[in-house]
Amino acid sequence: QVQLQESGPGLVKPSGTLSLTCAVSGGSISSSNWWSWVRQPPGKGLEWIGEIYHSGSTNYNPSLKSRVTISVDKSKNQFSLKVSSVTAADTAVYYCAINSYYYMEVWGKGTTVTVSS
Amino acid sequence: IQLTQSPSSLSASVGDRVTITCRASQGISSYLAWYQQKPGKAPKLLIYAASTLQSGVPSRFSGSGSGTDFTLTISSLQPEDFATYYCQQLNSYPRALTFGGGTKVEIK
Repeated sequence: QVQLQESGPGLVKPSGTLSLTCAVSGGSISSSNWWSWVRQPPGKGLEWIGEIYHSGSTNYNPSLKSRVTISVDKSKNQFSLKVSSVTAADTAVYYCAINSYYYMEVWGKGTTVTVSS
Repeated sequence: IQLTQSPSSLSASVGDRVTITCRASQGISSYLAWYQQKPGKAPKLLIYAASTLQSGVPSRFSGSGSGTDFTLTISSLQPEDFATYYCQQLNSYPRALTFGGGTKVEIK
């Protein structure tokens, strides 16, 4: 069973860059799946941020596209998220997930990121 | 494409039949999934392709619909089913994924 684990700083300063990594275990990131990032602000719903294929092809939420970069590191079997110019509105629990075509079968446990000075 | 879930919350008793609706602003064929999320936990996939039950999910959960109108039904609500439910769709071109706003199922 594939497992995902998010990691990264829990606190980011306003105007800075949020950087998270999702480590994949029990499977290969080169498998035929998309790899997604999803976030959930406190007390709110789920928001898809974007996804990457092992080839490096990406798709992003249009509302975040200008600030988001998702990349893959096959040698480390992981993928990463960067969100630039963060504000308090980017405070959320960030999840990584595996897409089987479009639905997310496996999720990480999530990591909380707070944007504050 | 936007997804509108209704109701946003509901109160029900153990044993009740519960129905949650998800409406897409445009036709999405059957590219719709449903998730259950409990407080402090990651979402869990329940149904994909509008009506296909994910392995291990109890048969009291069912999904139906196609095009723009979809339904998640819990035939007999159990104590462990009190949670928030989200629908999610695929927009094929350009490829993008969208979640509905969620429906919180609370104990009556």
